[in-house]
Amino acid sequence: QSALTQPASVSGSPGQSITISCTGTSSDVGGYNYVSWYQQHPGKAPKLMIYEVSNRPSGVSNRFSGSKSGNTASLTISGLQAEDEADYYCSSYTSSFYVFGTGTKVTVL
Amino acid sequence: QVQLVQSGAEVKKPGASVKVSCKASGYTFTSYGISWVRQAPGQGLEWMGWISAYNGNTNYAQKLQGRVTMTTDTSTSTAYMELRSLRSDDTAVYYCARVCGYGDYDNWFDPWGQGTLVTVSS
Repeated sequence: QSALTQPASVSGSPGQSITISCTGTSSDVGGYNYVSWYQQHPGKAPKLMIYEVSNRPSGVSNRFSGSKSGNTASLTISGLQAEDEADYYCSSYTSSFYVFGTGTKVTVL
Repeated sequence: QVQLVQSGAEVKKPGASVKVSCKASGYTFTSYGISWVRQAPGQGLEWMGWISAYNGNTNYAQKLQGRVTMTTDTSTSTAYMELRSLRSDDTAVYYCARVCGYGDYDNWFDPWGQGTLVTVSS
C-alpha cells in the first residue's frame, strides 16, 4: 500500500488556474472511479472537496473540479483565490483498503 | 448537522496504550463505517483502518496489524481506536472520519473529527 504520488508544491497567482496530479497504479487510481480530494488548512481537519473522481459535495465552490486518465487523477482549481492556499491530498479506494497521496502545498502568489 | 467529536489530547510513555473516542451525531450511526487516519507532525495523511458501525467488521493497514483495535458502541454512537505498544513515531494527530459511498464500495471520507493529538514521549 504505497502512497499515491503528488507534486510537493504548486503555486499560482490570484485568478489563475492550477492543476494538481495524483499518480497511482492500476490497483488503485486506475482500477476504480473512487478518487477523492481533501483540502487541509494549517491546524485544521481535512475537508472533502471532490468525491468519485469528479463530483463536488454541496457547499464546495465550482472552481474546484476533478478528472482522471488512466492511473493519474487531477484536481483543478480555477480562479485561484487567497483562501485556496492550503495542503491538498488525494485518496483512492483499493481492494478494501484506502491510500492517500503524498500531499501538495498550494501557494497563492 | 453531521458531526464527529473526538476525545482530548493524550500524552503517553513508550510502550503504553492509548484509546481515542469519536462520538457521532446527526446521522444514523450504523449506516456508515468509520475510518481512522493519522498525521505525524509536518507529514501527510496515513490511513489506519476502517470499522463497520453496522456489524463491527474491521480492516487494518498492514503496518499496524497487531497493534491497533477499532471498536464501536452503537448505544452511544461512538467509535474507538486503541493503539498499543506506543513508540515515538506514533506521535501524531489522529482523526476519525465517516466513510461514504453510493456504489459498490464506500470510498470517501466526510466529515472528519477535529483530531486528537497523541504525544509519545518518555
